[in-house]
Amino acid sequence: GESVGLHLPTLSVQEGDNSIINCAYSNSASDYFIWYKQESGKGPQFIIDIRSNMDKRQGQRVTVLLNKTVKHLSLQIAATQPGDSAVYFCAEISGYSTLTFGKGTMLLVSP
Amino acid sequence: EPEVTQTPSHQVTQMGQEVILRCVPISNHLYFYWYRQILGQKVEFLVSFYNNEISEKSEIFDDQFSVERPDGSNFTLKIRSTKLEDSAMYFCASSVSKGNGNQPQHFGDGTRLSIL
Repeated sequence: GESVGLHLPTLSVQEGDNSIINCAYSNSASDYFIWYKQESGKGPQFIIDIRSNMDKRQGQRVTVLLNKTVKHLSLQIAATQPGDSAVYFCAEISGYSTLTFGKGTMLLVSP
Repeated sequence: EPEVTQTPSHQVTQMGQEVILRCVPISNHLYFYWYRQILGQKVEFLVSFYNNEISEKSEIFDDQFSVERPDGSNFTLKIRSTKLEDSAMYFCASSVSKGNGNQPQHFGDGTRLSIL
């Protein structure tokens, strides 16, 4: 759902489950997308990126899917661990180098 | 792994005072950025910097803001006369190449700026 002010969409999962975090982006001209993880009190940490000429990219335990038709990005985390608990942001590049961040989703992983 | 480092971690300043936030980007990176995050909101772009000049800036980055690379390692953000609404986390980031060149921006852990 949408988030307003202090309220972030939250995804609660059990340790070991797979997690899917979704993001809708706004600019159809964006050609580069990044997922960042932000833990409390820290800066955004790069997870995985994808260019618009791809629809899927895999990393270690993470997969990003891009659907340009509906301007949708998802992050899949396999075998989620308590250390994965954080706020996850998708970001798109618009213009020369400007990152435009989404509103974020809080992932809570229970042991 | 190389990191972007920011100092101080927390800055408390009286309204109307000048503040300088400092960043040391990753050493082989050429592009530098400042972002801010007001509590509970998303991260917002302020400015990008390359080859000793501003490449892009947002509407937030008005005449009260300036950036500088005073030497080969530091990148600073100055706010000339702070306002209450400048209270936020300020993140510095750097990248090897410009943002749409497949090179992600790497972020520091931020400076929390509190304006009283």
